Amino acid sequence: AQKITQTQPGMFVQEKEAVTLDCTYDTSDQSYGLFWYKQPSSGEMIFLIYQGSYDEQNATEGRYSLNFQKARKSANLVISASQLGDSAMYFCATYDYKLSFGAGTTVTVRA
Amino acid sequence: DGGITQSPKYLFRKEGQNVTLSCEQNLNHDAMYWYRQDPGQGLRLIYYSQIVNDFQKGDIAEGYSVSREKKESFPLTVTSAQKNPTAFYLCASSIGTSGGTDTQYFGPGTRLTVL
Repeated sequence: AQKITQTQPGMFVQEKEAVTLDCTYDTSDQSYGLFWYKQPSSGEMIFLIYQGSYDEQNATEGRYSLNFQKARKSANLVISASQLGDSAMYFCATYDYKLSFGAGTTVTVRA
Repeated sequence: DGGITQSPKYLFRKEGQNVTLSCEQNLNHDAMYWYRQDPGQGLRLIYYSQIVNDFQKGDIAEGYSVSREKKESFPLTVTSAQKNPTAFYLCASSIGTSGGTDTQYFGPGTRLTVL
């Protein structure tokens, strides 16, 4: 089974600044996918960004980018120019035949 | 609008009762999933289905049952055998491709409370 570790239970960031959320994973598979999801207080899980293990370029989606370091088994999410609406819980997940989630990191954006 | 709907949003159940959570999608996705989330934790997979009339147990299937009679629908029944059913339940769907690229999209969730 895949294991996902998110070591930061909570983070505070000032509006308009960037924040990096850490994620490390443990897998013996050569081919796998990495996902980040956002969960606001409403509860819905919102897909943010995907990185394939064979992708040479780091994934980017608007203000979200993924710092993928395959040898270190690390897939950190960078949120640039933070907005108040970014306050939420963020989950890292990997996929083999199913999604395995980390415990999440709570981000609070301060005005 | 394409999406995933879950109903009800809030559900209260007495101990010893079975209850069924609804999940419907109009994304034409083949695969559907049920997850459970406890406060302050990540999601754990209960059941998943990759095709109609077929489903597999996830990591915490005990005390739950599912059916997949239609592509669009994947209801979850929480039975009286589930020892601690109070949790947030999320349904998801995906195209169903293999190889790690299959993005799952989630519904709004159902919050179940056992009284």
